[in-house]
Amino acid sequence: GENVEQHPSTLSVQEGDSAVIKCTYSDSASNYFPWYKQELGKRPQLIIDIRSNVGEKKDQRIAVTLNKTAKHFSLHITETQPEDSAVYFCAARASGTYKYIFGTGTRLKVLA
Amino acid sequence: EAGVVQSPRYKIIEKKQPVAFWCNPISGHNTLYWYRQNLGQGPELLIRYENEEAVDDSQLPKDRFSAERLKGVDSTLKIQPAELGDSAVYLCASSLGDSSYEQYFGPGTRLTVT
Repeated sequence: GENVEQHPSTLSVQEGDSAVIKCTYSDSASNYFPWYKQELGKRPQLIIDIRSNVGEKKDQRIAVTLNKTAKHFSLHITETQPEDSAVYFCAARASGTYKYIFGTGTRLKVLA
Repeated sequence: EAGVVQSPRYKIIEKKQPVAFWCNPISGHNTLYWYRQNLGQGPELLIRYENEEAVDDSQLPKDRFSAERLKGVDSTLKIQPAELGDSAVYLCASSLGDSSYEQYFGPGTRLTVT
């Protein structure tokens, strides 16, 4: 069945360094890949997304890259700040459906 | 624009008791999702509605869980009877559907079954 694998499960970086989180999806029909940030006790918030017709998308310090051939996509956060500390989830949605499959999450800790 | 609204935010019940959660999606959003999120895990889909029709409920434990979305707007999710393993955060989300991809989450209901 459909599956999204996410790595690493935890990530600690020094403030100002970059962080990279990677996801791999199984359904080749997937065409939309959002990333959510979830702070403790709060709702998942969409921070960036990418569609399958684009290879890279950037929004200030956040970027997402997509490799359709390898079926993986990555979140890149540059110049990390303590407020970036949270759990990040990737997801994939297949073309023609509105069903999202989520990764298991990455707990990012930015050390001041 | 108001976001997705859920109530209650927290609920503590004893096992075998019933419980219900309510969700009001963003106005105009045709697609509504109920997810369950266990501690340290990603959201897992329970049921998805397109307007008032449940189009994907394959992950819903139908022996104890039920859901409805009357008039294609608000939705309720019910558990009867609750079990200890049902303790989790229940998230509601909505999206416009059609060509719109973005999905927006509500704050969730944290259920504790004792």
